[in-house]
Amino acid sequence: AQSVTQLGSHVSVSEGALVLLRCNYSSSVPPYLFWYVQYPNQGLQLLLKYTTGATLVKGINGFEAEFKKSETSFHLTKPSAHMSDAAEYFCAVSEQGGSEKLVFGKGTKLTVNP
Amino acid sequence: KAGVTQTPRYLIKTRGQQVTLSCSPISGHRSVSWYQQTPGQGLQFLFEYFSETQRNKGNFPGRFSGRQFSNSRSEMNVSTLELGDSALYLCASSLAPLALAYFGPGTRLTVT
Repeated sequence: AQSVTQLGSHVSVSEGALVLLRCNYSSSVPPYLFWYVQYPNQGLQLLLKYTTGATLVKGINGFEAEFKKSETSFHLTKPSAHMSDAAEYFCAVSEQGGSEKLVFGKGTKLTVNP
Repeated sequence: KAGVTQTPRYLIKTRGQQVTLSCSPISGHRSVSWYQQTPGQGLQFLFEYFSETQRNKGNFPGRFSGRQFSNSRSEMNVSTLELGDSALYLCASSLAPLALAYFGPGTRLTVT
């Protein structure tokens, strides 16, 4: 069975500082990996995805993530935080060749301090 | 191109009642999935439909059911509502199974 662990339910950074949100996954087959962002009272917006190929994936709003198979990780980073990045971030995994089902982590709430 | 539409956006029901939520996918998308989001359990998969057929079902009781119509619109129904069913219900659409999923804004269900 697949699972996702997001280390840190709350992360706080200063504006302009590096953002690092951690995600580790477990999957018995090659995974598809995703990061979604959720602003208050809204649905989920896709930031980036990894399917196959290049392991460094660039997404929207300056975010990127690197798939590291040996570490079963897919950490999300952004070099310089902006106030508008404050939101909740979810890492998700699905199976290559499997169903549409996404398995989500518990989420990390990012606070950006001025 | 219009996004995923979910109606209603907010709903208040009483224990024991039933409720139907609707999801209209992005035009051309034939796959629809439903998720329940609660503070305690997080995001959990409910169902997945493609071309009117349920392809996958999550670990929820039989009170939770769904269907998909020929125009790809989907509904989910919860019967005999319990307080624990209070949640944000999210619908996601994609061109096909395994393709990229786009989420709607959700329906906030409150059970009193």
